[in-house]
Amino acid sequence: NAGVTQTPKFQVLKTGQSMTLQCAQDMNHNSMYWYRQDPGMGLRLIYYSASEGTTDKGEVPNGYNVSRLNKREFSLRLESAAPSQTSVYFCASSLSGTESYGYTFGSGTRLTVV
Amino acid sequence: EDQVTQSPEALRLQEGESSSLNCSYTVSGLRGLFWYRQDPGKGPEFLFTLYSAGEEKEKERLKATLTKKESFLHITAPKPEDSATYLCAFNTNAGKSTFGDGTTLTVKP
Repeated sequence: NAGVTQTPKFQVLKTGQSMTLQCAQDMNHNSMYWYRQDPGMGLRLIYYSASEGTTDKGEVPNGYNVSRLNKREFSLRLESAAPSQTSVYFCASSLSGTESYGYTFGSGTRLTVV
Repeated sequence: EDQVTQSPEALRLQEGESSSLNCSYTVSGLRGLFWYRQDPGKGPEFLFTLYSAGEEKEKERLKATLTKKESFLHITAPKPEDSATYLCAFNTNAGKSTFGDGTTLTVKP
């Protein structure tokens, strides 16, 4: 059982380049999330998808776009990367967002923008 | 504004030295207070959910408690393998979690 799989694990971009972070879950979860984590800080929500076909902005959406491709996959796109987007990005999923067993997280994508 | 604050930022303990981590919250419409463990280079791993004041949950050397304004993660007789960052988070009716900045625990043998 793979859980939540994120690709790539590491990426270095130049300022202005674009890229897409991929996330897939195999737990038949309805809700999916993208968070970023900066050194010494907790997780900040970028975008989330409560169910297939819906997406909503979180706390820090500027500079990002998302696509809920199907129930399994939720991608995060950086159209024009900036050094301020250097961070570790985590994808997570949950059955409905309100159940008692929390979120299942992927292992993260470490992104450096130079 | 809903918010959560964790203290201390870092905690160093000797093996066997019990202590507590604090998570203070100001949330209208709390729909769950969560604790996660995060090891270096990995994603957070779910530990507990608490819903109402007075509730307690236990797992091995960890016990989480909840009051109307705070949650505590008590660590009894910790071992080096308990070293990690511990994150608390809350859910509201919107069904998405807001996280604190975490407490990094180091347990020395």
